[in-house]
Amino acid sequence: DAKTTQPPSMDCAEGRAANLPCNHSTISGNEYVYWYRQIHSQGPQYIIHGLKNNETNEMASLIITEDRKSSTLILPHATLRDTAVYYCIVRVVGGNKLVFGAGTILRVKS
Amino acid sequence: EPEVTQTPSHQVTQMGQEVILRCVPISNHLYFYWYRQILGQKVEFLVSFYNNEISEKSEIFDDQFSVERPDGSNFTLKIRSTKLEDSAMYFCASSEGLGVQPQHFGDGTRLSIL
Repeated sequence: DAKTTQPPSMDCAEGRAANLPCNHSTISGNEYVYWYRQIHSQGPQYIIHGLKNNETNEMASLIITEDRKSSTLILPHATLRDTAVYYCIVRVVGGNKLVFGAGTILRVKS
Repeated sequence: EPEVTQTPSHQVTQMGQEVILRCVPISNHLYFYWYRQILGQKVEFLVSFYNNEISEKSEIFDDQFSVERPDGSNFTLKIRSTKLEDSAMYFCASSEGLGVQPQHFGDGTRLSIL
């Protein structure tokens, strides 16, 4: 699975959009981008995934660049409860495991 | 919304004792996983399980570890003779399939080895 690079931490004001970047420059054609988050002392929570088209669900939007070498997770109106570690993970279709990195600590501040 | 449930939430065990961690995956899911997270470290894959067989395991998953689906709803992780370094959060996850379907995680069992 391709390696991902994320900033170690970010701050966001409550009510504003949080834009979390991820680089995955070695991604291959059969690898999807997944985003999870982990709120303190809870299990990882699935947010969204995509291959090459932008995706949106009730939690977030995922923007993947045309060359697929990077992506951005967007939380449109961040709340204090969105404070968590956010993980960008690349996984091959049919792959068993998720490989977690250190992620980005997002702090939403009032 | 259906969820993965894990019991107990916290398990304290003496070193050398056996421990069984229990998970109830989401009911229509066919693939099951265990991960662990040592305090302050990354979430690490341990094992995946499908059709009553291990489909992949990591180097961490040595002979002290075993998994079982004893009935139609439970999925267990057994550590035969616990060591101090087994202290960690253990997360169970499940997914519908191996395609693009995401894995959904439980809230974990905190295992403390004394």
